Amino acid sequence: AQRVTQPEKLLSVFKGAPVELKCNYSYSGSPELFWYVQYSRQRLQLLLRHISRESIKGFTADLNKGETSFHLKKPFAQEEDSAMYYCALSGSGGSQGNLIFGKGTKLSVKP
Amino acid sequence: GAGVSQTPSNKVTEKGKYVELRCDPISGHTALYWYRQSLGQGPEFLIYFQGTGAADDSGLPNDRFFAVRPEGSVSTLKIQRTERGDSAVYLCASSLDLNSPLHFGNGTRLTVT
Repeated sequence: AQRVTQPEKLLSVFKGAPVELKCNYSYSGSPELFWYVQYSRQRLQLLLRHISRESIKGFTADLNKGETSFHLKKPFAQEEDSAMYYCALSGSGGSQGNLIFGKGTKLSVKP
Repeated sequence: GAGVSQTPSNKVTEKGKYVELRCDPISGHTALYWYRQSLGQGPEFLIYFQGTGAADDSGLPNDRFFAVRPEGSVSTLKIQRTERGDSAVYLCASSLDLNSPLHFGNGTRLTVT
C-alpha cells in the first residue's frame, strides 16, 4: 500500500540550529515526492519537489530510494520557518492528480 | 491575482442534512482537486478534475459524496445525508495542469452536529 510516514508530530529547535524533518514512504514504483508547508493563518503551499532538485528558503530534500526517505533539511533554522510541514507522494508518473500526504510535522523555531 | 476561493468558510449542519461546498479555482487552471483534512491528519485525496470531467474519483468515501465541475471552472462538492464523521476541513486546489504546483484555498470547515 502507498503510504507516507512522518514520525514526528512536533519538532522544536532553537534559531540557528540545523533542522531535519523526517519523511519515509512506501511505494512499489517510482514515486514523486513533495514537501508542502502551511504557515500560521496561511494556505497550504508547495515548498519543493524532488524532481526540481532546488533549494527553497534554504531547505533541501534528497530522495533516497534505498531508505525510501525524503527528509527535509535546513542548516540554520529561522523563526519564520515555524510552520506545519507535510510530506506528500504521487505515484502517477509525476502527475499531482492524487497526492498521498503524511500527517505532518509541526516545526517550532524558538528565538 | 486572486487565489482559490472556497465558500462558505464555515458550515454547521445537522446530521442527515445535505450540504454543498463551492470552489472557485484560479482563472485558467485546468485541473481542480478536492481534499479532506480531519483533525491531526494530513489532507486526504477525494477527487480531481481535468477540465469538466472527473479524472479520478477514487478517494470519495461513499456514494453520499459527489462533485461536479460543469463548465470546467467552478466546482461544487455535494454531501448527502451528512454524518458526524464527515466533519472536517474540505480543501480545494487548482493547478495550471497536472504537473504544475497545486494552489490551495483556505478550506471550508464543515461541522455536522
